[in-house]
Amino acid sequence: GAGVSQTPSNKVTEKGKYVELRCDPISGHTALYWYRQSLGQGPEFLIYFQGTGAADDSGLPNDRFFAVRPEGSVSTLKIQRTERGDSAVYLCASSLTGLAGETQYFGPGTRLLVL
Amino acid sequence: DAKTTQPPSMDCAEGRAANLPCNHSTISGNEYVYWYRQIHSQGPQYIIHGLKNNETNEMASLIITEDRKSSTLILPHATLRDTAVYYCIVRVLGNTPLVFGKGTRLSVIA
Repeated sequence: GAGVSQTPSNKVTEKGKYVELRCDPISGHTALYWYRQSLGQGPEFLIYFQGTGAADDSGLPNDRFFAVRPEGSVSTLKIQRTERGDSAVYLCASSLTGLAGETQYFGPGTRLLVL
Repeated sequence: DAKTTQPPSMDCAEGRAANLPCNHSTISGNEYVYWYRQIHSQGPQYIIHGLKNNETNEMASLIITEDRKSSTLILPHATLRDTAVYYCIVRVLGNTPLVFGKGTRLSVIA
């Protein structure tokens, strides 16, 4: 079946602009995670959804970052007033229920470049 | 911060076994050892995980020492497509995110 998909695959924007990144999890997966990966580093956790609610948003770097998942499926990561330091690959992952030991399946990521 | 230590890079000849070490000396009794890999320009891919017993699946084997302070991921017959960054992660029970370190960059050489 279809895996996790993310759109757009690449996004170039200017400093100060607003961007939205979309994640379509595997159908039926209730848990959804956002990570950010800078060049040469491993992915860093941003936020975790269980259903429609954000169960853990401790990884969001500041209040310019916000994510929603209104119907418990598709999620959108929103970044306001983008800064050059926001340039990274934004990864989304989903798992069936989010319980211990479950595999997280990752999408290909959105490469964000802030000029 | 990641609770694991891995060598930054390793080489392996095609067709040979690749043995990737990981130290996790501060692992807790309820933490699993997970391995993911990330091929260039792709998202991370789950490989295998274990608690204290050795595990094997179609991709790899995981050997965990008796004291659980270290483990080794074994790719029995490495191919060029196994070239990737391999991440060793320890994760507590519950709905917790993955905490990635920098991983080991494995280069499989023809």
